[in-house]
Formats: sequence, C-alpha cells, structure tokens
Amino acid sequence: QVQLVESGGGVVQSGRSLKLSCGGSGFTFTTYGMHWVRQAPGKGLEWVAAISFDGSNTYYADSVKGRFTISRDNSKNTLYLQMNSLRAEDTAVYYCGKDRHTVTTVEYWGQGTLVTVSS
Amino acid sequence: DIQMTQSPSSLSASVGDRVTITCRASQSISSYLNWYQQKPGKAPKLLIYVATLLQTGVPSRFSGSGSGTDFTLTISSLQPEDFATYFCQQSYRTPLTFGGGTKVEIK
Repeated sequence: QVQLVESGGGVVQSGRSLKLSCGGSGFTFTTYGMHWVRQAPGKGLEWVAAISFDGSNTYYADSVKGRFTISRDNSKNTLYLQMNSLRAEDTAVYYCGKDRHTVTTVEYWGQGTLVTVSS
Repeated sequence: DIQMTQSPSSLSASVGDRVTITCRASQSISSYLNWYQQKPGKAPKLLIYVATLLQTGVPSRFSGSGSGTDFTLTISSLQPEDFATYFCQQSYRTPLTFGGGTKVEIK
C-alpha cells in the first residue's frame, strides 16, 4: 500500500530555514507527480507546491514563490521542500502528497509534519 | 488564481439524512474538480475526482456532480463515520486551490 512519511518539521525562528523530507513507498515513485499542501492550525487546506514525475517541472503558490523550493531524488524515493525566509504565517502542518498522475490531484497523503515559526 | 467557494461552511445533520455540499469556481473549470474528506487530526482523503469519479474504496453513498463553475457533493444516507470536514479543489490549473471547507456535524 502507498505510504508517505514526512519528517523535518519543528520550531524555527522567523527568517530562518528548514527542509522537509517525504519518503514514499508502495508505489513506483518515479512515475508520479508529488505535492506539498499545508494547513494552518484550525484553518483550511492550502496547496504549496508540486513537482513533475522527473523533476523537470515545478509549480508554486504565490505565497511561497521565491522562498520555497520543491525537489525530489528519485534514486531515494524522496521528496523535499526547502523553506527559506520563514514567516509566522508559514506555521502549519505540511502534508506530502502523491498525485494520481501528473500534478493535479493529491491521491494519497502523508500524516503531516508540523512547522512552527516563532517570532 | 481560481477562487473556490463552498457552501455551507457548516451543517448539522442526522444519521440517514441526505446531505448536499456545493462548490463554486470563479471561472469555468470544466470537470476538473476534486472532493476530499478530512477527520480531526488526520490527513485528508480523496473521495471524488474529475467531478464525478469515485476514488477506489470510497462508499457508493458519496457522489459528485456538476461542470463549469457549479459542483455538488452528495452523501445519500449519512453514516456516523461521515462526520468530518469536506473540501473541494480545482485541478484545472496551477496554483491548485481549495474551497474553505464544509464541516458536517451531528445534529
């Protein structure tokens, strides 16, 4: 079965950086687009970024463009999110997601990792 | 960006009730609309994609309809395990955007 396990969350000061990882198993990682989606405490879902199956195309929400970088290492079945210049409003649970095929639909979700940005 | 508006934001219903949630897009998105269910403290779960297609393993009491700008998620007979928050999401173009959510509570 599909498993996605995020790691790397924690408490970080405003303006600093953090890198999240997501390991995928139970599917052919190299075949699918992948996503990061976040949810601030008590709020709705916000799509953050996506990457194509081979890493050749990346897509970002305006709120993180220029600060966050999504990447993947297909040899390690691992997805990453490098987050720079963090702000208080980036505080959220960050979910890793596997697309159904390209970069449109999050078919499976990880359990999430909490990022808290303190000022 | 395409804005997604869900209504209502919350509703109270009883087991066995028929429940309908609506989602409106700020522009036409054809049938590129997904529905997710989220329970407290858990990750979301895909229920329906491309407006009407049921994800594998999702009970048939869930159904989706609509195209263009107006979409509906229907639960034909609400079960105890269906009390949750439901989100729509447009998959027409990036940035992907979600509706604000509809919380279905027990009456």
